[in-house]
Amino acid sequence: GAVVSQHPSWVICKSGTSVKIECRSLDFQATTMFWYRQFPKQSLMLMATSNEGSKATYEQGVEKDKFLINHASLTLSTLTVTSAHPEDSSFYICSALGLAGVVTDTQYFGPGTRLTVL
Amino acid sequence: QQPVQSPQAVILREGEDAVINCSSSKALYSVHWYRQKHGEAPVFLMILLKGGEQKGHDKISASFNEKKQQSSLYLTASQLSYSGTYFCGTENWAAGNKLTFGGGTRVLVKP
Repeated sequence: GAVVSQHPSWVICKSGTSVKIECRSLDFQATTMFWYRQFPKQSLMLMATSNEGSKATYEQGVEKDKFLINHASLTLSTLTVTSAHPEDSSFYICSALGLAGVVTDTQYFGPGTRLTVL
Repeated sequence: QQPVQSPQAVILREGEDAVINCSSSKALYSVHWYRQKHGEAPVFLMILLKGGEQKGHDKISASFNEKKQQSSLYLTASQLSYSGTYFCGTENWAAGNKLTFGGGTRVLVKP
């Protein structure tokens, strides 16, 4: 149980294009999902908290117009990197928090998406 | 503020023990431990919710000292599969389920 998937797992795009990353909780419902980015050999940095049916909450320094987050259902959140540039190249990881009583208090991570912007 | 993990890296021989510490400057609600292999997502190990709580997962255990705002992860009789980077994620009372991750501790277990 508590499986989270991400798609795509790996993407290369040209500078200026937009990339959409999907995060799905496969066997549980997640009212809250989190988006992180991780640079090589560094820690996970929280970008935003995504709540189903409401606007995402962004961490300080994260451009909300550049990193669009949509949490359309209890099992799906998407992150769109708009007008991507080489400095946006990173490992993007989502996590999902289960509803109370199921997998409460624990974040389960997706396998990550490696984005390379040329 | 990011919790501080120590050591930054450790090399072990198979069967040896190690301790990884995680300290926070803020009062903590919970501490979560994860292990990440290269190129993969972090895998949940355990969560500690109460001060004084200790938990175990195989031969990996952890403790949480609420007063000292710190947690320790114990790798006992380490196995080759224990290699990876260990992260602690801390949740403080105002965070609302948000985790702040430490810088990570790289563990390499050699035969």
